[in-house]
Amino acid sequence: EAGVAQSPRYKIIEKRQSVAFWCNPISGHATLYWYQQILGQGPKLLIQFQNNGVVDDSQLPKDRFSAERLKGVDSTLKIQPAKLEDSAVYLCASSFPGVYEKLFFGSGTQLSVL
Amino acid sequence: GEDVEQSLFLSVREGDSSVINCTYTDSSSTYLYWYKQEPGAGLQLLTYIFSNMDMKQDQRLTVLLNKKDKHLSLRIADTQTGDSAIYFCAPADRGSTLGRLYFGRGTQLTVWP
Repeated sequence: EAGVAQSPRYKIIEKRQSVAFWCNPISGHATLYWYQQILGQGPKLLIQFQNNGVVDDSQLPKDRFSAERLKGVDSTLKIQPAKLEDSAVYLCASSFPGVYEKLFFGSGTQLSVL
Repeated sequence: GEDVEQSLFLSVREGDSSVINCTYTDSSSTYLYWYKQEPGAGLQLLTYIFSNMDMKQDQRLTVLLNKKDKHLSLRIADTQTGDSAIYFCAPADRGSTLGRLYFGRGTQLTVWP
């Protein structure tokens, strides 16, 4: 069974530039999550989708971050404009319907903002 | 939100047992999870325990839950060098958002040969 796919693996940008990350969840997983993991900290939930609808985006900095999940499968997370403090690993995860806490994580995108 | 505290580092010798501790603040957490993160990788679910249980054993892993003290521990028997990783305790919030996990900062386990 294929896992959660994320790209790119690494990204280096300058502050005020924009960047986008892509995630393809495990087939059949209706719930998709984006987490931000700053170095030395645990992952923090940014946004949770159920199919193509947003369940929770309370911790998403909406002035600069946006996410979409068109057609309820792939998802993209965008940052525009990026700040230095956005340097982190962005993890995508998915789970089976009804088994929300058993998350399957991708390897993440490591973002460095210079 | 929930506060989750873990000690940051643990070092053990290969073959010994490892015990990773975690405290949390939200008594309504109904599921409590342990995730493992190896360098450069995402998190991998190790095991979990329901809040109505005191203990769960899963091969080399033993989870103990003290709900009164809001304390969770993960014991790894016969620790191997391949167990070196960061371990995250993650209580699940079954409140307004289904499946919301709160992660601690993680415990870096180093296993010496």
